[in-house]
Parts: sequence; structure tokens; C-alpha cells
Amino acid sequence: EPEVTQTPSHQVTQMGQEVILRCVPISNHLYFYWYRQILGQKVEFLVSFYNNEISEKSEIFDDQFSVERPDGSNFTLKIRSTKLEDSAMYFCASSVGSYQETQYFGPGTRLLVL
Amino acid sequence: DQQVKQNSPSLSVQEGRISILNCDYTNSMFDYFLWYKKYPAEGPTFLISISSIKDKNEDGRFTVFLNKSAKHLSLHIVPSQPGDSAVYFCAASVRGSTLGRLYFGRGTQLTVWP
Repeated sequence: EPEVTQTPSHQVTQMGQEVILRCVPISNHLYFYWYRQILGQKVEFLVSFYNNEISEKSEIFDDQFSVERPDGSNFTLKIRSTKLEDSAMYFCASSVGSYQETQYFGPGTRLLVL
Repeated sequence: DQQVKQNSPSLSVQEGRISILNCDYTNSMFDYFLWYKKYPAEGPTFLISISSIKDKNEDGRFTVFLNKSAKHLSLHIVPSQPGDSAVYFCAASVRGSTLGRLYFGRGTQLTVWP
């Protein structure tokens, strides 16, 4: 069964450093998402991406964040200058469509900012 | 932002019995609801969904009920099995939105004991 994959599974970085989280969505999916979950809190939407551009972003997704689909398979989330509060699980998701379509999630990347 | 609420942080049920997980929402624009299951260190796994044009959807041991007037949905698992022990998230998306953003509740930890 096709699945969303994410690398790395864990990332430890120093505050102020740049990190890139990578995702490979399900191959026939057209819509891509990033969510995050800070420990003990709910899963929060960051951004959605379709047709090589951002469809929607939340208030969390500020100028420090960017997304890119550099080739036909990868979808990346970049945090330019990490802060302590960026420590969280980051989940990538993808779906065939966007309206009343199921989003399938990857296993997540645990980011720890020291 | 508490548009989707899961007021019970935990639920403990004996194997073979029914598990009922509840979810309330405040945004009347939500028209599509999903339940996800999450094991530790994994991403959310899709379980079942329901559109607002229905009041019930079944898939094997899982049934979701939607009460639009009460802005309430519930997930029934019958019979419960120890492998069902996980965190269950309720999620919702906005009517007519083609952007796909999901709003999550905080989750309910279900423990099924033998």
C-alpha cells in the first residue's frame, strides 16, 4: 500500500540553524501539507501546497518557513533560523484532491532545537 | 483556537466491549469530519470519515455518528481490541473549502485492556 515517507525521523539542531525536512508524498496525490504537533498539544496545520504554490498557510507559518517541491517526488519544509519553540513533531500529508478528501500522513520528523 | 474539542483526554475499556469516543465542534462551516488513530512515534493513520450530508458511516468495527444540530460526532468501536489502544484524533474541514486544511482536536487516549 502506498504511503507517505519522511526523512529524517529525528533531527537535532542548534537554535538559529537552518533545517530541511523532507517528505515523499503518495505518487498520484496532488495536494501536500505540513502539520506539526508540539509535545502534549494538538496537531496544527502549517501549510498546504498545490500546483507548485502555497494554497493556504496558518499564522504559524511565518517568514522563517518555506516549502518547495524541488522535483516530481519530494516535498520539503525549510525552517531558516530555528527557535526553541520550533521543537515538535512535523508531519507531512498528501491527498488526491482537497475537498472532502482523506489526507494520508507520514510517520513524522521529530525536531529538537537546542 | 478550540474549534474542534475532544473533552475526554483518556478512555479505558475492556476488550470486547464498545469504545465511544466523542468530539464536539464549534464552527458551523465544518462539513467533513475524519477520525485518525495515532500510535506513539508514528503519524496519524486514517480510520473513517463522514460528510455532513450523512449522519452515520460504518467501516467494519468502526462507526462514526454525526449530530449536526448538536455539533457533535462520535466514533464507536465494537468490539474493542487491545490493538485499538492508541490516541484518537477527530479532525474537520470547512464547507466548500478547496484548500484542505484540517482542524484537529487534542485527542483521546484509548486503552483497551484484556
